[in-house]
Amino acid sequence: NAGVMQNPRHLVRRRGQEARLRCSPMKGHSHVYWYRQLPEEGLKFMVYLQKENIIDESGMPKERFSAEFPKEGPSILRIQQVVRGDSAAYFCASSLLDWDTGELFFGEGSRLTVL
Amino acid sequence: GENVEQHPSTLSVQEGDSAVIKCTYSDSASNYFPWYKQELGKGPQLIIDIRSNVGEKKDQRIAVTLNKTAKHFSLHITETQPEDSAVYFCAAYYNQGGKLIFGQGTELSVKP
Repeated sequence: NAGVMQNPRHLVRRRGQEARLRCSPMKGHSHVYWYRQLPEEGLKFMVYLQKENIIDESGMPKERFSAEFPKEGPSILRIQQVVRGDSAAYFCASSLLDWDTGELFFGEGSRLTVL
Repeated sequence: GENVEQHPSTLSVQEGDSAVIKCTYSDSASNYFPWYKQELGKGPQLIIDIRSNVGEKKDQRIAVTLNKTAKHFSLHITETQPEDSAVYFCAAYYNQGGKLIFGQGTELSVKP
């Protein structure tokens, strides 16, 4: 059973470009979470999605950031017009349908560098 | 509000000593408290968790304690080994919104 798969693992963008980060949850998991980790900092919650629904996006900046989890395919975190401050590691996690267990499984992360 | 405070931010111990990391949380409704270990360049990995109906849980050299009244929980690692060196995160599960809120992390260094 493959774990949470994220790609790309590393992404370099110039200021003003778009970044797209993809996450395939563990098999059978329908809950996806995105977290951002700045250098030498903790994990900051961004958004929680279920299939075709955004449940909680309270941690996501109102502008330039968006997330989706379509019926088919991976979850996508999209950052438009990137700025240097967007440079960070972005982690995706997934959990079972019965999320009362609360256990999140994390991917290896996507490291975004904005030049 | 949703907040988890974690201390210390760095911890250095000699191999074989014990290490203790402490966290506090703000929402009395939280009922699930996991601990994650993150090695350099990797994603966080769950190492142990505890639920609010339990005061203590142990798994080999790792134990976690929970004081719901004080809203404190702690990670205890005994007989530390160099491979325990990593960043450790505590977290609290907030039912409202259904998400894990993480502490700031503790960088543990175990010196041989």
